[in-house]
Parts: sequence; C-alpha cells; structure tokens
Amino acid sequence: DGGITQSPKYLFRKEGQNVTLSCEQNLNHDAMYWYRQDPGQGLRLIYYSQIVNDFQKGDIAEGYSVSREKKESFPLTVTSAQKNPTAFYLCASRKGGNSPLHFGNGTRLTVT
Amino acid sequence: GIQVEQSPPDLILQEGANSTLRCNFSDSVNNLQWFHQNPWGQLINLFYIPSGTKQNGRLSATTVATERYSLLYISSSQTTDSGVYFCAVNTGGFKTIFGAGTRLFVKA
Repeated sequence: DGGITQSPKYLFRKEGQNVTLSCEQNLNHDAMYWYRQDPGQGLRLIYYSQIVNDFQKGDIAEGYSVSREKKESFPLTVTSAQKNPTAFYLCASRKGGNSPLHFGNGTRLTVT
Repeated sequence: GIQVEQSPPDLILQEGANSTLRCNFSDSVNNLQWFHQNPWGQLINLFYIPSGTKQNGRLSATTVATERYSLLYISSSQTTDSGVYFCAVNTGGFKTIFGAGTRLFVKA
C-alpha cells in the first residue's frame, strides 16, 4: 500500500544529543513537509521541500536541519540547539502545490 | 503571512446533534483542506476543497473563496467524531499553514 512511514513511533533522548527522525513515502510525491505539534496546540511548519536537493525553512526552523537526497526520503534532525525539542513531529507529502496533503502517523519525541 | 482562524476553539455535543465549524483566512488561497486528528494523533484527510461544496456521508464542507471562509458541517454526530478538526491553506506555492483547530467532544 502507498503511504508515508515515520519511524520510530516513540523516541527518547537525553538533552544535548542530536536525533534524526525518519520519513519515507512511496506515493511518488514531489513535496515533503515537517510539522511540529505541542500538546493541545496546532501544527507549525518546520521545513518543506518541493524537489530533491532543495528545501525551505518554515516558521520554526531554528534548531532543526533536513536533507532531501532522494525523492522518497526527508529526514529531520533535531539538534541540541533546539531549546524545547519534546513534541509530536508529523511528516507530510503532496504531489504538487495544488493537491491534497497527506500525513504519516507521527513520531513522539521526548528529551529529558 | 496569511492568518487562519478557526472557531469555535472548543465544542461539546450530545451524540446525534449537528454542528458547524468555521475557518476564516486573511488572504486569497489556492487550496484548502479539512483534517480530523483522532485521539491517537493521526491526521485524516476529510476534504480538499478550494471552492464549492462537497459531501461525504454525514460530513460536508463549503468554501467561499471570494469571502475567505470555509465551513465544515457535521450531522448526527457520533462519539467517534471526537478529536480536533484542522483547516489548512496554501496561498500559492507549497507552503501550507494550519489553523489552531476546533476541539470537539461528543458525549454518548
């Protein structure tokens, strides 16, 4: 089945460590996105990528980095510079700018 | 940038009741989607509706792009409708912005 796979579902890290969240899609979508959701809040855009080897900062990019070496993959690294990394992270993709956005099931990151 | 406002922020319904959720946006949009986030955090596509009206079972949505709003109607609500409903818009290009959501609780 086509879809967006985020792994792992739960992730625990110690403060000061970088951590990479995986997002893979087999929908042949061109654009991929990372959003952050804090408890009881909406979704905030971290980074997005329209094509391979290109990406743009969203509204809360500080402390995060991404790469887009393959069309299917858009990993997100949460660096030690991110002051409050504990959150629910959602990856999404779409075929083009005027097509529906589809989401993975998310990764819950806890940093202590 | 574009502002997306959803109302009401919270809604409690008795099972079987109807409701209307609203999404206002401050600029012209290329597309608009409604999502339902279930209690496990999954975001489910409900409607892709840049303009016009669509229906899917007990749910329907209407977007009036010229007046910069969209409405989501839930009829005969069920407990499984509980969760958070989000509106998301594009103004052009690929950047997609979400509203803060409407939190719905349906009582049995």
